[in-house]
Amino acid sequence: DAGITQSPRHKVTETGTPVTLRCHQTENHRYMYWYRQDPGHGLRLIHYSYGVKDTDKGEVSDGYSVSRSKTEDFLLTLESATSSQTSVYFCAITETVNTEAFFGQGTRLTVV
Amino acid sequence: DAKTTQPPSMDCAEGRAANLPCNHSTISGNEYVYWYRQIHSQGPQYIIHGLKNNETNEMASLIITEDRKSSTLILPHATLRDTAVYYCIVRPRNTDKLIFGTGTRLQVFP
Repeated sequence: DAGITQSPRHKVTETGTPVTLRCHQTENHRYMYWYRQDPGHGLRLIHYSYGVKDTDKGEVSDGYSVSRSKTEDFLLTLESATSSQTSVYFCAITETVNTEAFFGQGTRLTVV
Repeated sequence: DAKTTQPPSMDCAEGRAANLPCNHSTISGNEYVYWYRQIHSQGPQYIIHGLKNNETNEMASLIITEDRKSSTLILPHATLRDTAVYYCIVRPRNTDKLIFGTGTRLQVFP
């Protein structure tokens, strides 16, 4: 299995609080992605990174920010969590744009 | 970006071949077809990909039509553990994004 770890695996938080999810990889892959998955929507791309300090928006980026200060870590931050951000979040990595993606095990976030 | 169309669900008897179709009629010449699957609530898993030639690996075969407007993922002998959601993705070369659709939910029954 590719060395990709998401933390925490589960989190319950209150509306309006900040939340940071971490994706850590040991593969030295250049590209990292954050997705959310909700029933009936499949996986939707939130943000992605194509290198250290290089990030861009995906399909559903509103309400989220990301940072990548080093190759191995990609952080997803919800500045002020809302109930609509209750979801399962997946991180993925790829070595190049033409190679397969490896996914983490997911983080289940509940905003109450 | 090219889009894909997949049936929302399919059934397959255990031991039989599962043939999962994908339509990508707007695909352009430099776009690869990728297949992933997601078992229950786990992270998606890569299966196979191709450009224009048919491909086979230990998990599956990928058949791409000559005009490249559609493809079929074949699981030659489906098992109960192949029950999952299967995603067909068209990814342009040298694009950073990886966009998923809603996939096909395959149910393998005994």
